[in-house]
Amino acid sequence: EADIYQTPRYLVIGTGKKITLECSQTMGHDKMYWYQQDPGMELHLIHYSYGVNSTEKGDLSSESTVSRIRTEHFPLTLESARPSHTSQYLCASSEGGNGYTFGSGTRLTVV
Amino acid sequence: AQTVTQSQPEMSVQEAETVTLSCTYDTSENNYYLFWYKQPPSRQMILVIRQEAYKQQNATENRFSVNFQKAAKSFSLKISDSQLGDTAMYFCAFMKHGEYIFGTGTRLKVLA
Repeated sequence: EADIYQTPRYLVIGTGKKITLECSQTMGHDKMYWYQQDPGMELHLIHYSYGVNSTEKGDLSSESTVSRIRTEHFPLTLESARPSHTSQYLCASSEGGNGYTFGSGTRLTVV
Repeated sequence: AQTVTQSQPEMSVQEAETVTLSCTYDTSENNYYLFWYKQPPSRQMILVIRQEAYKQQNATENRFSVNFQKAAKSFSLKISDSQLGDTAMYFCAFMKHGEYIFGTGTRLKVLA
């Protein structure tokens, strides 16, 4: 079944650690996105990609980086995690006017 | 620049009743897409309904329907026969050329 997968679902990590949040989709969508969302709050776009080797920063400034080497894979990396990075991170993909397909999210806690 | 406004941060409705969530947007575009998304507590965000701006007919998906008023730039969501499982955050979104603008969300609670 075509879908979008995020791992891990939950992550608790110490300050200063490097982390990579994984996002993969099996739908062949060119457009992929990363959002940051505090629980029950609004969505903030932090990165997006319109295809392989194409990445852009979103509206919300973020210390994270992304890469898009394969169509199906759009990982997000934090080189040095801080408590201010504690949040939920949502990955999404889209094609045409069909709307987003969202992943289940990664809930990150930095201690 | 496009903007999307959801003026109701929180709402509640009795089970089996009808509730309407409001959404207004601002754009100079003529052709675009509008969406409502549902995010249940601690669960995945899912698409509820979509509307293409060039279609005058209001979209309907089972108990969910929209009132799309293009001239007024209004896109409200009506939930009929509300169920406990409808309790969630609801986000309105505008899309043009792959760029999405989300509203700040409305938290809906369905009361037993």
